[in-house]
Amino acid sequence: DAKTTQPTSMDCAEGRAANLPCNHSTISGNEYVYWYRQIHSQGPQYIIHGLKNNETNEMASLIITEDRKSSTLILPHATLRDTAVYYCIVRVAGGNAGNMLTFGGGTRLMVKP
Amino acid sequence: GAVVSQHPSWVICKSGTSVKIECRSLDFQATTMFWYRQFPKQSLMLMATSNEGSKATYEQGVEKDKFLINHASLTLSTLTVTSAHPEDSSFYICSARDNRAEQYFGPGTRLTVT
Repeated sequence: DAKTTQPTSMDCAEGRAANLPCNHSTISGNEYVYWYRQIHSQGPQYIIHGLKNNETNEMASLIITEDRKSSTLILPHATLRDTAVYYCIVRVAGGNAGNMLTFGGGTRLMVKP
Repeated sequence: GAVVSQHPSWVICKSGTSVKIECRSLDFQATTMFWYRQFPKQSLMLMATSNEGSKATYEQGVEKDKFLINHASLTLSTLTVTSAHPEDSSFYICSARDNRAEQYFGPGTRLTVT
């Protein structure tokens, strides 16, 4: 799986949009971009994933650049409960037994009142 | 959505004893489950991949005789930490993969060895 690079930490004001960048310059054509988050002392929570088109769900939006070398996760109206470590992961989709999620350092997002 | 549970959520044991952690997929079948370990302020590290009905595959540096994994059914995998030591104290997280190859994570088990 391709490696990703994320800022170690970010702050965001409550109610504002949180934009979390991720660099994945070595991504392969068949690799998806996944985002998970981990709130303190909990298991990771799936947020969103995409291949090349922008994606949106009830939690967030995912913007992938045209060359697919980077992406941005957008939390449109951050709340205090969005304080967590956000992980950007790239991996091949499909049922390969070896195709597990590998976690990097992630971005520690602190939402402040 | 798919739900994965872990039991216990936390456990304290004495050095030298063994501890079993259960991971269950509640509303789907999982032929593959994964076990991760997370130390304070660090990321999740994959320990092993568990396949139903076969031996687990361990990552480099993980002692298979110390961390026993059993995946006896399509909804249950267990991790047994044998002869636990204080350095085994950690947050253990399991993950189950459904038939679309999506991974769902359990809430984690915090192990403290005294």
